[in-house]
Amino acid sequence: GAVVSQHPSWVICKSGTSVKIECRSLDFQATTMFWYRQFPKQSLMLMATSNEGSKATYEQGVEKDKFLINHASLTLSTLTVTSAHPEDSSFYICSASYGVKNIQYFGAGTRLSVL
Amino acid sequence: GQNIDQPTEMTATEGAIVQINCTYQTSGFNGLFWYQQHAGEAPTFLSYNVLDGLEEKGRFSSFLSRSKGYSYLLLKELQMKDSASYLCAVRSPPEGDSWGKLQFGAGTQVVVTP
Repeated sequence: GAVVSQHPSWVICKSGTSVKIECRSLDFQATTMFWYRQFPKQSLMLMATSNEGSKATYEQGVEKDKFLINHASLTLSTLTVTSAHPEDSSFYICSASYGVKNIQYFGAGTRLSVL
Repeated sequence: GQNIDQPTEMTATEGAIVQINCTYQTSGFNGLFWYQQHAGEAPTFLSYNVLDGLEEKGRFSSFLSRSKGYSYLLLKELQMKDSASYLCAVRSPPEGDSWGKLQFGAGTQVVVTP
């Protein structure tokens, strides 16, 4: 149980285009999902908390108009990087809370390269 | 301020034991987590402590002392596949409908040698 699927696993795009990343909880319902960003050899930095049926809560310094988050159902959250630029190249990881202890289980991550 | 500290790197021999320490200073506490992360992959959950004491799960054990702001992850009978980064994370108290956010340490790279 507690499987989180994330895709695509790798995406290369041109500067100025938008990229959508999907995060799905496969065998449970997730009221809350989280989006993180990780630069090489650094730890995970929380970008936003995604709540089903309501607006996402963004961390300080994260542009909500650039990183659009939609949590349309209890099993799906999407992150759209709008007008991507090379500095947005990073490893993006989602997670979903599950169980009485609300442990976060992570998706496999998406490596974004913006040319 | 918020701070989670763990060593940058540790090296140990196959079959040995390694202890990874984590100290934290956070404005609130709602549990401490350990995750394993192999290079280029997402973290996988290892253990969770919310009360003081030792939690044992196979070759991995985790200890917590809330009064000292201290935890450790103990890896026994090391195997080559245990070479990875180990992340300590503290969960903040609940806010509204949310169970609280995770704040991660920078990770400890464990290198297992033959």
